Amino acid sequence: LAKTTQPISMDSYEGQEVNITCSHNNIATNDYITWYQQFPSQGPRFIIQGYKTKVTNEVASLFIPADRKSSTLSLPRVSLSDTAVYYCLRNAGNNRKLIWGLGTSLAVNP
Amino acid sequence: DTAVSQTPKYLVTQMGNDKSIKCEQNLGHDTMYWYKQDSKKFLKIMFSYNNKELIINETVPNRFSPKSPDKAHLNLHINSLELGDSAVYFCASSQLSGGADTQYFGPGTRLTVL
Repeated sequence: LAKTTQPISMDSYEGQEVNITCSHNNIATNDYITWYQQFPSQGPRFIIQGYKTKVTNEVASLFIPADRKSSTLSLPRVSLSDTAVYYCLRNAGNNRKLIWGLGTSLAVNP
Repeated sequence: DTAVSQTPKYLVTQMGNDKSIKCEQNLGHDTMYWYKQDSKKFLKIMFSYNNKELIINETVPNRFSPKSPDKAHLNLHINSLELGDSAVYFCASSQLSGGADTQYFGPGTRLTVL
């Protein structure tokens, strides 16, 4: 059964680096890994996407090892406004398959 | 200039009623989606349409019927509403790229069935 597994919750403090790991042991060859962020009363918002190795943009980095059985979202120097739920998504080409994780609720404390 | 919009934002209704939620995107995307998010924040894909063609149809009661009059609109009609239908429903859209497409989500419609 295809699954995408991530921690239910995490706590951090302002200024720290936060790493959220997602497990996808039976990832398929044409699956990408995408992370979304969701604030209360809003729809999810795209953060970053990768296939393998490392991807970095202005808000986060995504590390995917060679076997692609897991991925790690890295948020550098979090602030209170990064408190949100973060979803890991396995999506195949053209989004014909979408396997969402259950979300990681990140709380950033002062 | 909202990218993905949904109406209504809130919907409160009685069991057994029929209701519709509308979604429109002005991004020129080819694909649209409906999701259900329950109180535990689980995001469940319900349907996906590409150019008015149904491409994802997860195990959803047939009381739920998506309708796509054109590629900019995907409406969700729900018959005989039940208590368990209470949730937030999100519409999303994406542009076909051949790879994994970024989805743009609407603000959600909170449905409460009494």
